[in-house]
Amino acid sequence: DIVMTQSPDSLAVSLGERATINCKSSQSVLYNPKNKNYLSWYQQKPGQPPKLLIYWASTRGSGVPERFSGSGSGTDFTLTISSLQAEDVAIYYCQQYYTTLWTFGQGTKVEIK
Amino acid sequence: EVQLVQSGAEVKKPGESLRISCKTSGYDFGDFWIGWARQLPGKGLEWMGIVDLPDSEIKYSPSFEGQVTISADRSINTAYLHWSTLRASDTGMYFCARQPGVVGDTVRDYWGQGTLVTVSS
Repeated sequence: DIVMTQSPDSLAVSLGERATINCKSSQSVLYNPKNKNYLSWYQQKPGQPPKLLIYWASTRGSGVPERFSGSGSGTDFTLTISSLQAEDVAIYYCQQYYTTLWTFGQGTKVEIK
Repeated sequence: EVQLVQSGAEVKKPGESLRISCKTSGYDFGDFWIGWARQLPGKGLEWMGIVDLPDSEIKYSPSFEGQVTISADRSINTAYLHWSTLRASDTGMYFCARQPGVVGDTVRDYWGQGTLVTVSS
């Protein structure tokens, strides 16, 4: 298994401020022939399935606001919310799809300070 | 429009068997894999395994090998998750998800709405 570890487990940020979540994989998820990182970020709100925010580590999904951005390569990745909005309160997961047996990070709960 | 519709909530007793379903529509069922994820109460997402329809394979994450059975019926575009002997520790929400696909210039993901399974004596 590729183990995904996120930090922190939770964070509280004031409205309009930046939120940063880190994710580390136990092995590289960079597929060199395509030069792509097989890493996604998901957002999950209570009672809902996860929603894809970022794929290929840095490409925003359909309809995802520009305040969400992803960066990183190899084993270290970051999700940034540049200006936190009330509707961003959720749990965020990183996920590798380097193998078809996906693995998720443990999740980071984002709240309003 | 791609849709994944899961069967309804279940309440079962320990030791009973259960099969939940994920009915798909809006695309060619055989072109993509379907996976299952578990979410225990108040916990994170765990990937259980997939039914890989293009390659006709079923793959399980190590933690779930031997604990559940994943299958599919191509004739009705439906995937299944089956337990032969439920335990209280199986209580949780179960999601199906289709392999993400390229739509226009972006990648789309598709999930079922979730099935709540409660196992209690």
